[in-house]
Amino acid sequence: GQQLNQSPQSMFIQEGEDVSMNCTSSSIFNTWLWYKQDPGEGPVLLIALYKAGELTSNGRLTAQFGITRKDSFLNISASIPSDVGIYFCAGLFHSGNTPLVFGKGTRLSVIA
Amino acid sequence: SAVISQKPSRDICQRGTSLTIQCQVDSQVTMMFWYRQQPGQSLTLIATANQGSEATYESGFVIDKFPISRPNLTFSTLTVSNMSPEDSSIYLCSVEAGSGANVLTFGAGSRLTVL
Repeated sequence: GQQLNQSPQSMFIQEGEDVSMNCTSSSIFNTWLWYKQDPGEGPVLLIALYKAGELTSNGRLTAQFGITRKDSFLNISASIPSDVGIYFCAGLFHSGNTPLVFGKGTRLSVIA
Repeated sequence: SAVISQKPSRDICQRGTSLTIQCQVDSQVTMMFWYRQQPGQSLTLIATANQGSEATYESGFVIDKFPISRPNLTFSTLTVSNMSPEDSSIYLCSVEAGSGANVLTFGAGSRLTVL
């Protein structure tokens, strides 16, 4: 089935630094979603992308839907301690009849 | 978007037993989705639960192991049957958020540890 390659697997950064993570696939996706999961909680939607080339921001977060429709990135600017968590990308295969596919997640640690 | 409540939030279970997880949504939804998140892993869809019909299971998941009920438009249960340590996971209930097609809202999850 379709698979998403999410990288990096984990990151340790200093507070105030910018962060970038991405997801790639060999298949074309119609939708890209970025979620964050805090410990003991379910994933919470950060940004949804529906069109190739789309660039969307949510506060300090910015995500883009790659023009090839096979990749997406998420940037976090000026990181703060509460950014700690696991970030998942998720994509919907272009056929529309398959469930969301999730990446394996990027575990972010912020050092104050 | 919908608010989802799951019970139990966590449990420790003995091998060979079964546990039922409940998912309550604060609004009526057509489809409810059950996901599994194994330790340190991503989310994998177990099945889609529609009210009034049998759940649709993804490859690798079967009804005998993960029976699902969907008695009405706001409630569903997932049972993990005859558990083994490999079933230790977080089980998550989700529904479409309503803010956009295919966008899912998740419950907080039920963390099961099987001894």
